[in-house]
Parts: sequence; structure tokens; C-alpha cells
Amino acid sequence: QKEVEQDPGPLSVPEGAIVSLNCTYSNSAFQYFMWYRQYSRKGPELLMYTYSSGNKEDGRFTAQVDKSSKYISLFIRDSQPSDSATYLCAMSPSSNDYKLSFGAGTTVTVRA
Amino acid sequence: NAGVTQTPKFRVLKTGQSMTLLCAQDMNHEYMYWYRQDPGMGLRLIHYSVGEGTTAKGEVPDGYNVSRLKKQNFLLGLESAAPSQTSVYFCASSYSPQGLYNEQFFGPGTRLTVL
Repeated sequence: QKEVEQDPGPLSVPEGAIVSLNCTYSNSAFQYFMWYRQYSRKGPELLMYTYSSGNKEDGRFTAQVDKSSKYISLFIRDSQPSDSATYLCAMSPSSNDYKLSFGAGTTVTVRA
Repeated sequence: NAGVTQTPKFRVLKTGQSMTLLCAQDMNHEYMYWYRQDPGMGLRLIHYSVGEGTTAKGEVPDGYNVSRLKKQNFLLGLESAAPSQTSVYFCASSYSPQGLYNEQFFGPGTRLTVL
């Protein structure tokens, strides 16, 4: 079993819809949770970062962490065609743990 | 700043050939990483380095070697390429005292095909 599980999709939604992405994990030591966005044929880039449990909002993006369930989510409101990308979750036990555990990534297409 | 750069962008090898992928970063980061990305597998760590002159094995190190002779460069070598090494390779770097948490900055990737 992988340490981090993520449904690869693909996910196709109409413009303006809410996109819901999630990951589950097995290592209870994970404290730092990240979402990376990867456009086609590009390298991943950090989208959002959260520590421990709770919510974090940044514009149209909301990240949620539920450590009791070992479950994290990313929501994209009012989705745009420019949000079409692969979204990877990543996590680590501490802020200076240089190794990240990544999910497989979910490919999202927002149709105009 | 260029960030993280990778050379070459594309390469086709025959089975048994060798090659070196070069990664360079201009952010004065201490840590550098090599990943491979395959469909459905996500990013898997091959080797990493926590500073100049140091290297360590990641999740899938077999068939690869690395060197970090200079802080800004991290080289990934394939001594005898195999078709199973066909993949997209990403280099990343992270951590400086001025930085936050453990954000990794990725290069644009190298697409390698082994025939």
C-alpha cells in the first residue's frame, strides 16, 4: 500500500464548477501538507501549504486537513480553463524534513 | 533568477548507453533532489543531497548514480540505460535559511526514452 493515495482521475468539469480533490495517507507523523499544481509538460509548483489540521483559503482555493481521518482536500471554486492541470498532494513529518511523500496526482480539465 | 534548470530537455538512448542529466539552481538552496515521474505512479525520489559533497538514496535508486561536487549542481547518471528507465525526470531544490517550510522548487523536466 502506498503511503499517500490519490485518485488519478481524470476529472472533467464545466467552467464555473467547484472542483474537489483529495488524498488519504497512512503515516500519522505527517504534519505538513502541500498541494502542487503541474501544467502539461512543466514541473510542479507549490499551490498551497497547510500545517496540521484545519482549513486554509487563498482566493478561489481552499485546502482542508483532517488528521483524525488522515484525509486532505483541495477545493477550487469558480473553476476556470486555466485551472486545467494535474494536482499533486505532498506531505512531510516536519517543516525541515527535506523529503516529501507525493500522491500520484489528479488530472483536471475545466471545459469552457 | 533562472530558478532550477535541467539539461537536456529531451533525449533518446539505446539500451546499454550511458548519459548524464544536469541540474542547476541559482537560489543557494542546500537540498537537491532527483525524481522520476511515470503515469499513475506520481513523483518517486531517486536520490537526494543535503549539501555539497553529500548524496543519499531515495525510493528508487537502482540503476542511477549522482554527484554533487558544487552546491548549485546535481548530476544524475545512468551507466547502462534500460527501457524501464524511460520516464520524465525532474530535479528539485529546497531550503534556505530565508525560506519557509520545505517548499521544493522544480525544474522543467527531462523526457528520456530508452529504446
